[in-house]
Amino acid sequence: QKEVEQNSGPLSVPEGAIASLNCTYSDRGSQSFFWYRQYSGKSPELIMFIYSNGDKEDGRFTAQLNKASQYVSLLIRDSQPSDSATYLCAVNPTKAAGNKLTFGGGTRVLVKP
Amino acid sequence: GAVVSQHPSWVICKSGTSVKIECRSLDFQATTMFWYRQFPKQSLMLMATSNEGSKATYEQGVEKDKFLINHASLTLSTLTVTSAHPEDSSFYICSARSGGGKNQPQHFGDGTRLSIL
Repeated sequence: QKEVEQNSGPLSVPEGAIASLNCTYSDRGSQSFFWYRQYSGKSPELIMFIYSNGDKEDGRFTAQLNKASQYVSLLIRDSQPSDSATYLCAVNPTKAAGNKLTFGGGTRVLVKP
Repeated sequence: GAVVSQHPSWVICKSGTSVKIECRSLDFQATTMFWYRQFPKQSLMLMATSNEGSKATYEQGVEKDKFLINHASLTLSTLTVTSAHPEDSSFYICSARSGGGKNQPQHFGDGTRLSIL
């Protein structure tokens, strides 16, 4: 089992709809969770981070964390073509030395006009 | 805030050349910097973790004598690919965090695309 798992997609979403991305992790003691967006040929950029159970909203993005079920999700409301990218889930496992992150393989999102 | 600058953006050079890539945190002090490599259509692969003033910690399978990392100050880390060969061609990306526990996010530079002929 991979430490951080994401559906590779592509997740095809009509413009204006909600894109829902899921991520599961294996280390129950993980404390911090991050979502990055990576456009093709570019480096990742931080979208959101979440540490506590529940929802965290930032503009059109909402991160949801459920530590009991070991999943974290990202909702993108009012999806735009510019949201088309690969979204990376990253987790800071408890056993990780040097505070390094473990990344999922990413979910490719395609927003169609 | 939290800007990480990486230079150069592109490098094309002959096989056997050594290439140095710089990673700078512009508006914060980075106690820890990370170096990743990403091949086309693949995930980020962590190569090493560097802490200011100490030796880098390399991931399993990464040759520390080939990928030299120096983190001499709180704002600068360098990666030198020594005697580069075509199989070293990849997208190299650094990230930096300001320290202070596990909750600090990593901020990424723009990456360096390395092509070895």
